Amino acid sequence: GAVVSQHPSRVICKSGTSVKIECRSLDFQATTMFWYRQFPKQSLMLMATSNEGSKATYEQGVEKDKFLINHASLTLSTLTVTSAHPEDSSFYICSARVWLSSRDTQYFGPGTRLTVL
Amino acid sequence: AQTVTQSQPEMSVQEAETVTLSCTYDTSESDYYLFWYKQPPSRQMILVIRQEAYKQQNATENRFSVNFQKAAKSFSLKISDSQLGDAAMYFCAYRGAQKLVFGQGTRLTINP
Repeated sequence: GAVVSQHPSRVICKSGTSVKIECRSLDFQATTMFWYRQFPKQSLMLMATSNEGSKATYEQGVEKDKFLINHASLTLSTLTVTSAHPEDSSFYICSARVWLSSRDTQYFGPGTRLTVL
Repeated sequence: AQTVTQSQPEMSVQEAETVTLSCTYDTSESDYYLFWYKQPPSRQMILVIRQEAYKQQNATENRFSVNFQKAAKSFSLKISDSQLGDAAMYFCAYRGAQKLVFGQGTRLTINP
């Protein structure tokens, strides 16, 4: 399967600071990437869909000014949590959509645990 | 809007036995895909199996197979010869024309 990486795997920051999370497709080009948020013992909640070279599409209730998404190349998308607060603490997962063997499939990164103090 | 329901928050099975995880979905689309993802303690989402709605034949991947009942909008996962490494959260997911929609998840425990 295709490989998606995320960096950092975990980050701790102070309230009010900004944090950037990178998502890379290592062995394929991804025109579309997705960002999810997962609270403990819950399912994945889609935050936004990121298309290379265009603005991200945010899900209802997700603040676009707080969660900045940039998809600058076919292999890299970034999520920046601006002015982070403790309630932003969560597990963030990116995913890339790819065609492999004539199949449209999403592969997921390993996730980033964000803790805001 | 499409919804995915997993009615079993937790399931357990004896090692080497067979277990079935349930999933139902609601959609008005005719063309879509269904998936089962596994999330072990590492929290890495791993694709277990997929099913195209237009295919009548149930998908199979080694010990994992599905029972796809399109009319009933049901998509269950059967794990045969359960192994300790199968312990994880299992998420059923639907994708039609747009985004991937996940169910609430089922936590599977394997008893040695």
